[in-house]
Amino acid sequence: AQKVTQAQTEISVVEKEDVTLDCVYETRDTTYYLFWYKQPPSGELVFLIRRNSFDEQNEISGRYSWNFQKSTSSFNFTITASQVVDSAVYFCALSVAPGADSWGKLQFGAGTQVVVTP
Amino acid sequence: NAGVTQTPKFQVLKTGQSMTLQCAQDMNHEYMSWYRQDPGMGLRLIHYSVGAGITDQGEVPNGYNVSRSTTEDFPLRLLSAAPSQTSVYFCASSDPEGASESNEQFFGPGTRLTVL
Repeated sequence: AQKVTQAQTEISVVEKEDVTLDCVYETRDTTYYLFWYKQPPSGELVFLIRRNSFDEQNEISGRYSWNFQKSTSSFNFTITASQVVDSAVYFCALSVAPGADSWGKLQFGAGTQVVVTP
Repeated sequence: NAGVTQTPKFQVLKTGQSMTLQCAQDMNHEYMSWYRQDPGMGLRLIHYSVGAGITDQGEVPNGYNVSRSTTEDFPLRLLSAAPSQTSVYFCASSDPEGASESNEQFFGPGTRLTVL
């Protein structure tokens, strides 16, 4: 069975501070994908990143960066110099690779609410 | 492309009523799914479909029915609504064989359902 744990329920920061969101996952599959989604107050789900299990390179996109460590089954997300517009719920999710029986069945974590105050 | 569309956006039902949440996508994706989002629990998979005529249960299927007669549409039916089904419902589609490098799931805007 797959499981995604986001232990932080809510994180509050002041604008320009960095914030790191933790994501720990469990899976028996050797090939899998990890995702991060953002859900702003308007409610839609915004895709941020996908990482496959064979690519352990860290990735940076603007103020966002992701640290994938297979050894600790973690896929953490950092927002650098946070802004008020970053206030949202962030979800980490896991799925098996295309071609497997369970492809597309995303297993979500409970989400982390990020509150950025001016 | 409209992407994934869902109707209605909001709905209030009384216990025991039935209704269908509509989901459509215009990206020719084979894979479609329904999730419900409840506070503190993230999104949980209700039902999914890997192509027209093929559906299967997810993590929380009880009280919901689905069918997939076309590639484009994947309606979710509540046969006898219960207060426990008060939630936000998201439909998603993806195409693992497609050209998208991200293989991401495309989500609809959601339907907020309240059952009284």
